[in-house]
Amino acid sequence: EVQLVESGGGLVQPGRSLRLSCAASGFTFDDYAMHWVRQAPGKGLEWVSGISWNSGSIGYADSVKGRFTISRDNAKNSLYLQMNSLRAEDTALYYCAKDILSYGDPPIFDYWGQGTLVTVSS
Amino acid sequence: QSALTQPASVSGSPGQSITISCTGTSSDVGGYNYVSWYQQHPGKAPKLMIYEVSNRPSGVSNRFSGSKSGNTASLTISGLQAEDEADYYCSSYTSSSTLIFGGGTKLTVL
Repeated sequence: EVQLVESGGGLVQPGRSLRLSCAASGFTFDDYAMHWVRQAPGKGLEWVSGISWNSGSIGYADSVKGRFTISRDNAKNSLYLQMNSLRAEDTALYYCAKDILSYGDPPIFDYWGQGTLVTVSS
Repeated sequence: QSALTQPASVSGSPGQSITISCTGTSSDVGGYNYVSWYQQHPGKAPKLMIYEVSNRPSGVSNRFSGSKSGNTASLTISGLQAEDEADYYCSSYTSSSTLIFGGGTKLTVL
């Protein structure tokens, strides 16, 4: 059974940093691209970032480019999102999502975690 | 890049068919056959229902179908059931090699 478990969320002040993690199991992690998708409270979905199976292809939404960095450790079956210079508008539930293919271009998500909540507030 | 345009809400009675539209531009929906649809029940993670305009993942009911014409994609649900009541989001690949979502449509089964 595919499982994606996010962690690392919490309350953080504007301008500070936070690192999210996603532990994957139930599939061959290094065969697939992975993504982060967020959902602000009561709002719609927003793709944040994606990374190919071998980290050779990485993409970001314009709203986070230059502030967020996605990475993966295939040996640990883990996906990460380093978030710097956080803003109030980054407040959201952050989902880890598995792609159906290895390159993730275009992104298509067949499994999602339950999300980790990030709240940016002073 | 602006979000794709979806109706805020649609409704239908059990057994009926409904269609949810998703309108973009030639730089996203109209330019690629990479439209997906996701179903999200309250408090739950989204679920992939349709990908690449009209493909259904294994396990998704054939009551769900997708299509596209020009810059508008559509999701049709036939034989509406109470369990179909949820939020539905379309997404599309873009010319900037990113992914954008629609604003979401709340489906109410009367």
